[in-house]
Amino acid sequence: NAGVMQNPRHLVRRRGQEARLRCSPMKGHSHVYWYRQLPEEGLKFMVYLQKENIIDESGMPKERFSAEFPKEGPSILRIQQVVRGDSAAYFCASSPGHTDTQYFGPGTRLTVL
Amino acid sequence: DQQVKQNSPSLSVQEGRISILNCDYTNSMFDYFLWYKKYPAEGPTFLISISSIKDKNEDGRFTVFLNKSAKHLSLHIVPSQPGDSAVYFCAADYRGIADKLIFGTGTRLQVFP
Repeated sequence: NAGVMQNPRHLVRRRGQEARLRCSPMKGHSHVYWYRQLPEEGLKFMVYLQKENIIDESGMPKERFSAEFPKEGPSILRIQQVVRGDSAAYFCASSPGHTDTQYFGPGTRLTVL
Repeated sequence: DQQVKQNSPSLSVQEGRISILNCDYTNSMFDYFLWYKKYPAEGPTFLISISSIKDKNEDGRFTVFLNKSAKHLSLHIVPSQPGDSAVYFCAADYRGIADKLIFGTGTRLQVFP
């Protein structure tokens, strides 16, 4: 049973470009969570999605950031017009239900030049 | 507002001895606590969890203790092994109300021979 998959593992963007981060949850998991880790900090919650629905986006910046989890395909975290402060590791986690343990992917390390 | 705190950024322990990692929280609504282990350039790996209705949970070499009155939990690793060297994150959740993990800033454990 494959774990949570994220791609790309590393992403380099110039200021003003768009970044798209993908997350495929574990088989049988329909709940997806995105977290961001800035250097020397813990992980910070961004958004919680179920298939086709955003359940909680209280941790998402109000502008430039969006997330989706379509009926088919991976969950996507999209960052428009990236700035240097967006440079971080972005982790996706999945769980089978909303009260179950979250399992994390390997992360995408975004570098904004 | 740091709701989950790990006040020791690092800990060094000799192989075979006990490692004790500490975590404090401020929000009394948290009802579930987890420990994750993280190696560099990888995602967090779930280790062990505890519900607020318990005060201890054990899994092999890992034991988590919860003191609700003190809002404190600790992870004990006995005996410590070099492969345990990693960053350990404490996380808290309030299931039934929200499903976002609140992470501490991590403790870097080094186990030396």
